[in-house]
Amino acid sequence: DAGVIQSPRHEVTEMGQEVTLRCKPISGHNSLFWYRQTMMRGLELLIYFNNNVPIDDSGMPEDRFSAKMPNASFSTLKIQPSEPRDSAVYFCASAQGRTEAFFGQGTRLTVV
Amino acid sequence: AQKVTQAQTEISVVEKEDVTLDCVYETRDTTYYLFWYKQPPSGELVFLIRRNSFDEQNEISGRYSWNFQKSTSSFNFTITASQVVDSAVYFCALSGVNAGNMLTFGGGTRLMVKP
Repeated sequence: DAGVIQSPRHEVTEMGQEVTLRCKPISGHNSLFWYRQTMMRGLELLIYFNNNVPIDDSGMPEDRFSAKMPNASFSTLKIQPSEPRDSAVYFCASAQGRTEAFFGQGTRLTVV
Repeated sequence: AQKVTQAQTEISVVEKEDVTLDCVYETRDTTYYLFWYKQPPSGELVFLIRRNSFDEQNEISGRYSWNFQKSTSSFNFTITASQVVDSAVYFCALSGVNAGNMLTFGGGTRLMVKP
């Protein structure tokens, strides 16, 4: 298996633009997580899906952030409109049940 | 609520020294899982180990060993004979059954191994 695949790896966008981050989990995994990593706040859980259903989105910063998982093999995290403070590395991870989560290589987002 | 605390934000050692990274956790779950991840300078998060709350046996894997002490809610990680390639940020994480298996991470410990 190729592991968790995230795209793009790097994204530079202007403030106010819409940004969409994509994730393909490992086949067969039923849990998917979106994390954000910054120097100030460390690794923050944004949202967690189980069997394609959002279980906990309490970590989503505000209404500008939304996440979807239309099927077991694809998820998106959208920021609209983006702001400079959204600049961070965004990780997607997947797991099978209560086993360890495997992380993608992350998307480094820079909002200027 | 669940919480993971890694009190050491940064540790610097000289190659071949042993080093222990501390992890203390809080959870109300009786069934939970503990993890360690490594984040090298390249940025990816690499899974190292998972333990469940019913298994307090210590584990050794090469130069790595883990000490799980339920009585003190700790899950410490020791690297024996450290090497420069061990330089990374190490994260401890917790997943409780009643927390929906969400992974909660500690703040991480940056380990610098100098030649």
